[in-house]
Parts: sequence; structure tokens; C-alpha cells
Amino acid sequence: AQKITQTQPGMFVQEKEAVTLDCTYDTSDPSYGLFWYKQPSSGEMIFLIYQGSYDQQNATEGRYSLNFQKARKSANLVISASQLGDSAMYFCAMREGRGSGGSNYKLTFGKGTLLTVNP
Amino acid sequence: DSGVTQTPKHLITATGQRVTLRCSPRSGDLSVYWYQQSLDQGLQFLIQYYNGEERAKGNILERFSAQQFPDLHSELNLSSLELGDSALYFCASSEAGINEQYFGPGTRLTVT
Repeated sequence: AQKITQTQPGMFVQEKEAVTLDCTYDTSDPSYGLFWYKQPSSGEMIFLIYQGSYDQQNATEGRYSLNFQKARKSANLVISASQLGDSAMYFCAMREGRGSGGSNYKLTFGKGTLLTVNP
Repeated sequence: DSGVTQTPKHLITATGQRVTLRCSPRSGDLSVYWYQQSLDQGLQFLIQYYNGEERAKGNILERFSAQQFPDLHSELNLSSLELGDSALYFCASSEAGINEQYFGPGTRLTVT
């Protein structure tokens, strides 16, 4: 079974509007973390936002917020006031387990959603 | 700029050859991760090092190996290259006990 599912291969949004990118995850570990990364056409992976499984509040970073619904195992990314520069591939990822020091924090990624912002 | 550097940026080589990809983590980060991004497999974790020791292995082929040196830079060695090894290889680093991984710009490997 896939651990991270992104069901939207592509999304379109008008500039200045908000958009939600879906992500569902599958884990039996009570301790985990959820991440969103942005990959523009230039190829680099840019960290956007993080949500821990024990965090009570939804994470926010500027125009990015993470709609965390633990019971539904979903961690949707909301981008407010879309800009042309937001056009990119967006990846949801999960880290399972809680370690200490240099314990394994490997990330499992979804297949991504290609977001296109139209002027 | 994430602070993680990778060289070379592009690499074109022939089947059967061996290449070495290099990564320098952010200053102070002890953990280094290698990921492979290909069209058919997506982004996959390969291997993690922490302060010079291997900590975790993912879907890494036996033809691939890595190490982390005392100065914390890491190298990923790919040998007996096949066409299917063509991919974007990312290195990421993180501070011990901190969740966020910061990715380098990647090395695009093309095997012809």
C-alpha cells in the first residue's frame, strides 16, 4: 500500500486565489511528521512546511498552511493568494517514528501534484 | 539557497561506467540523506549517514554505495551503470533531532 497518496496529478488556479493540494497518508506509527516540498522547473527541492503528529495546531508558514486532519489521515496544503511563481510540482512526504540524535528520519514521498497558476 | 551543495550539476556517461556524486551538507548538519528521483519511480530514499556512520538503507542497489567522511561531506558511488540509472540524485541534510531536511540542487545523471 502506498504510504503517501496525492490524488491530483495536476491542478490549475487563478492568480490571487487560494488552492488546496491533497495528501493522505498511511502509517500505524503514533509518531510521525508530514512535510510539503516544492519543486520548480529548475529542479531544486524547497522545504515549505512541517506538521508533527502530536502538534495540536495546524502549521502555517506565510501563505502556506497545512490542514491536518489526523482521524482522516490527511495533510492538505493550502496556498493562499496564489502567485505566478507558485507554479511548480508539490510533494507531500512523511517521516515515521521519533528518534533521537541522528536516528533515521528518511522521508517517503508521494508522486506529486503539478500546480499551474494562471494570470 | 539551502546551504547544501552538490557536484557535479550534470553528468553524462556511458553504460558500464562508474561515477561519484559529491555532497556537502549545511554547516553543522550531521545527517546526510541520498534520494533518487526518476520518472517511473518518483522520489526514493537511498541511504542515510549520520556523523560518518550508515544509519538507514532504502531502495539502494548493490551497485551503489556511499560514505560520509570526517569533514561530513558525502559521496555516492554508482557503478556498472545502466540506462535505468538515469535520474536526478539529491542529497539532503538535517540537524540532529530536527525534522526538516534541506535538499541540495541535485545531480542530473544521464547514462547513454
